[in-house]
Amino acid sequence: AQKVTQAQTEISVVEKEDVTLDCVYETRDTTYYLFWYKQPPSGELVFLIRRNSFDEQNEISGRYSWNFQKSTSSFNFTITASQVVDSAVYFCALSEELRANSKLTFGKGITLSVRP
Amino acid sequence: GAGVSQTPSNKVTEKGKYVELRCDPISGHTALYWYRQSLGQGPEFLIYFQGTGAADDSGLPNDRFFAVRPEGSVSTLKIQRTERGDSAVYLCASSLANREGTEAFFGQGTRLTVV
Repeated sequence: AQKVTQAQTEISVVEKEDVTLDCVYETRDTTYYLFWYKQPPSGELVFLIRRNSFDEQNEISGRYSWNFQKSTSSFNFTITASQVVDSAVYFCALSEELRANSKLTFGKGITLSVRP
Repeated sequence: GAGVSQTPSNKVTEKGKYVELRCDPISGHTALYWYRQSLGQGPEFLIYFQGTGAADDSGLPNDRFFAVRPEGSVSTLKIQRTERGDSAVYLCASSLANREGTEAFFGQGTRLTVV
């Protein structure tokens, strides 16, 4: 069975600090996708990033970066120079196999609060 | 509309009643998903449609839950004989069907409260 663990439940930082959100996953699939979603107070889940299991290259996109390590089954997400608007719940998710439109298994989420 | 639309945004119902939750996906998206999110938890998969057919309904908790998508666009999640434990936010998402691992776009959800 698939499982996503987000050990951190709440993180509070001061604006402009960098913050890393941890994610550890379990799957028997050899190929899969990993995602990060953001859920602001409005409730709508907003897609942030996607990484497939073939590609462990870490990337930076604006203030976001991610560190995917297949050997430790981790997919951590970093926000650089955090802003108040980053305050939200962040979910890590895992797809079922590397196929189109598979269902996602989500972690419990991390509540990030960015103080001015 | 530009995004996934869910109605109503809030629904309060009495225990034992029947409810219907509606999802209008992004135009052109053939894949549609329903998830349920309880307070303090991540979304949990309920059912996935590819076109009009339910491709995977393994997440439906029991036979009180049923979903349809008769014309391959709008979907309705139906809950019979509601129980207090059904209280949650029900999220709908849609995605394109022709790309591997394509991301799903979520609506704002319907908050269901069973009293």
